[in-house]
Amino acid sequence: DAGVTQSPTHLIKTRGQHVTLRCSPISGHKSVSWYQQVLGQGPQFIFQYYEKEERGRGNFPDRFSARQFPNYSSELNVNALLLGDSALYLCASTRQGSETEAFFGQGTRLTVV
Amino acid sequence: QKEVEQNSGPLSVPEGAIASLNCTYSDRVSQSFFWYRQYSGKSPELIMSIYSNGDKEDGRFTAQLNKASQYVSLLIRDSQPSDSATYLCAPSNQAGTALIFGKGTTLSVSS
Repeated sequence: DAGVTQSPTHLIKTRGQHVTLRCSPISGHKSVSWYQQVLGQGPQFIFQYYEKEERGRGNFPDRFSARQFPNYSSELNVNALLLGDSALYLCASTRQGSETEAFFGQGTRLTVV
Repeated sequence: QKEVEQNSGPLSVPEGAIASLNCTYSDRVSQSFFWYRQYSGKSPELIMSIYSNGDKEDGRFTAQLNKASQYVSLLIRDSQPSDSATYLCAPSNQAGTALIFGKGTTLSVSS
């Protein structure tokens, strides 16, 4: 079975630009969560979506937004990129919410220059 | 107070030894607890989940949970050089909408 897939794997953007990251969950999983991991830190929660509805939002500015599609795939959008947005962006897939086992994709390494 | 605390390490153990990784958390109502392994430059990989007090064993790994003490640990028996990685402790939040990660403990197993 395919695991969680994310695209692209690497991305370089300029300050002020916009970026869209994509995630496809494990087949049968209906919940997708997004996390940001900066070097030397644990992942930080950004959003959780379940059945296309936002179920949770972390402490991130409104420049961050996400959505989930009918096939349960998801997009994370970040506007007006800052240097501090450079990080590994991780997508996690669970059957339901975060009380159940979450499996991560390989991540998207975003560099803002 | 930090929500999830782990010793950053590095924790160094010889091959074949037992590695003990500890984690404390602040949210008393967390119900689900997970341990992830993360190799340098890679994404976290789920290795253990535990939901009730006591021990849970899976191969060389044993997770221990004590909700009264707000403490969860991971024991790795017969440590191998391939176990060298950062281990992340992650309780779920009260709403079950997020995992709250610690900074992780770096484990180094020497052959």
